[in-house]
Amino acid sequence: ETGVTQSPTHLIKTRGQQVTLRCSSQSGHNTVSWYQQALGQGPQFIFQYYREEENGRGNFPPRFSGLQFPNYSSELNVNALELDDSALYLCASSLGQTDTQYFGPGTRLTVL
Amino acid sequence: KQEVTQIPAALSVPEGENLVLNCSFTDSAIYNLQWFRQDPGKGLTSLLLIQSSQREQTSGRLNASLDKSSGRSTLYIAASQPGDSATYLCAVKFGFGNYQLIWGAGTKLIIKP
Repeated sequence: ETGVTQSPTHLIKTRGQQVTLRCSSQSGHNTVSWYQQALGQGPQFIFQYYREEENGRGNFPPRFSGLQFPNYSSELNVNALELDDSALYLCASSLGQTDTQYFGPGTRLTVL
Repeated sequence: KQEVTQIPAALSVPEGENLVLNCSFTDSAIYNLQWFRQDPGKGLTSLLLIQSSQREQTSGRLNASLDKSSGRSTLYIAASQPGDSATYLCAVKFGFGNYQLIWGAGTKLIIKP
């Protein structure tokens, strides 16, 4: 059984660009949650996808969007990148919406 | 507003000492509380999960307690080792049916050889 995987591991973009981050959920898990972790802070909830539908969102602007595919893998898209978007982006999968979340290693995004 | 606080932000102790990390939360109606470990630049490793109905959980040298009435959880690490050096984060799921984890900012722990 494979765990949660994320790609890429590191990414450098410039302000104004767009980025797509990917997450493969653990086998059997139908729910994916995305978090943003700025340096020295705890993670902040971005949104959660359950069976291909967004079913909850944190305090992030619409330029943060996502998708979940039929195999329950997921993408996080960020448009019009800003310097403050530089962070570690974490993906977590779970059996259901309220079950224990298992985290991937994260994608480190740097915006210059 | 539901908040999670971890104090201190950093802690440095000599190898071999027993130590306690603290986590406080503002709402006693929690569903569960989870302690994580994070190594520099890395993802999160789940250490212990305490359900709302439980008072403590143990794994090896780690023991986590939960006191909902006072809004506190502690993570006890026995016989600390340099390999325990990491940032320890506390995350709370408030309320039954809630899907979102609310996180503390973490305690950075350094164990000196």
